[in-house]
Amino acid sequence: ETGVTQTPRHLVMGMTNKKSLKCEQHLGHNAMYWYKQSAKKPLELMFVYNFKEQTENNSVPSRFSPECPNSSHLFLHLHTLQPEDSALYLCASSPRGASSNQPQHFGDGTRLSIL
Amino acid sequence: QKEVEQNSGPLSVPEGAIASLNCTYSDRGSQSFFWYRQYSGKSPELIMFIYSNGDKEDGRFTAQLNKASQYVSLLIRDSQPSDSATYLCAVYNQGGKLIFGQGTELSVKP
Repeated sequence: ETGVTQTPRHLVMGMTNKKSLKCEQHLGHNAMYWYKQSAKKPLELMFVYNFKEQTENNSVPSRFSPECPNSSHLFLHLHTLQPEDSALYLCASSPRGASSNQPQHFGDGTRLSIL
Repeated sequence: QKEVEQNSGPLSVPEGAIASLNCTYSDRGSQSFFWYRQYSGKSPELIMFIYSNGDKEDGRFTAQLNKASQYVSLLIRDSQPSDSATYLCAVYNQGGKLIFGQGTELSVKP
């Protein structure tokens, strides 16, 4: 298996639920990212992990909690989300660490709907 | 001023024509520029990157960069209906963040 894989592809959850999004990259990259894409808006960077260390939290509410156990895996833990959090959540990775001006490669995303 | 700006479109071109997509950026120190294609309901797919002033060609795609004017463009020659998608311009700013434009929707009519 190659590339960046995200699971689940679709998720519907209530505002009181707790769920997690998973991302796995098989590219040997050292940086991983979470983005949010809402309708008609540019991709919004949420978190950056560089060699497993979080280097960026782009003012994301605490109801989103990232975890990076190793350079190949990234999670986004979700709890008590709001309807406005419904969006496509994209994971990306890049070689040689963040801030290296390298292309980022995206997974297929998780379409999240909050009831 | 937005860091990366694109016309949202839709841009409509006939099949076989040249599609021209434009992007401007505000950080004069930016060094790396990317074009992604995103089909509806899918994730962004990298199609071109450019680091130096001038043109870079890859098949039917040509990226053009003018750092003095803070302008990057994507030309698609011999446009096909399968090129219909949203095209995202992305630029690394001096802080090391990849900033995306809002995307230009391209429609290629048979």
